[in-house]
Amino acid sequence: DIQMTQSPSSLSASVGDRVTITCRASQSISSYLNWYQQKPGKAPKLLIYAASSLQSGVPSRFSGSGSGTDFTLTISSLQPEDFATYYCQQSYSTPVTFGQGTRLEIK
Amino acid sequence: EVQLVESGGGLVQPGGSLKLSCAASGFTFSGSAMHWVRQASGKGLEWVGRIRSKANSYATAYAASVKGRFTISRDDSKNTAYLQMNSLKTEDTAVYYCTRRVTMVRGVIIPNYYYYMDVWGKGTTVTVSS
Repeated sequence: DIQMTQSPSSLSASVGDRVTITCRASQSISSYLNWYQQKPGKAPKLLIYAASSLQSGVPSRFSGSGSGTDFTLTISSLQPEDFATYYCQQSYSTPVTFGQGTRLEIK
Repeated sequence: EVQLVESGGGLVQPGGSLKLSCAASGFTFSGSAMHWVRQASGKGLEWVGRIRSKANSYATAYAASVKGRFTISRDDSKNTAYLQMNSLKTEDTAVYYCTRRVTMVRGVIIPNYYYYMDVWGKGTTVTVSS
């Protein structure tokens, strides 16, 4: 199975900050990488698919990059509604695997 | 409106069984692969399994942690997917989500198929406890 490792596991930031979350795969997954946002008590929400494609309706302050084993999710200017937990997920092979999550908290 | 609604969760004793349902609306269910993902309280997301469409022979796949105990099925006439859970363990306690998997194709000469889960239900809670 492909292991997905996110860093950091938690992060404190302020409104307006630029934030980057990293996801590393245990083997090359090309661009088969998706990012999700989850708020407490809610279902995950798709943000980015295929490493860098923005899902319809998602604000442009979110962006994704990377290929192979290393990927990043960037939020260019944090807004109050962005404080949540973020997960990466590989779709290169079965079983689908998720990163352990990055909790983004208000500083 | 594209929507998924899970139901069937509840309290069950270890060793017991439970069947979850996922009712879909607002899209062509029969053409979509459907996945189940679970989340224990305070923990991350764990993929449970998936079922593909009729065009792909309703192929199923499961996480190692549930293989042999859980079965995913679907009834396209009812726009519903199911998760039959047998021999339940305390570690199966979680919120269970069903999701729609989308396939995006890039490239013509050498197509690449990208998969992602774009629609999620609100989840149903399964508690395995004596």
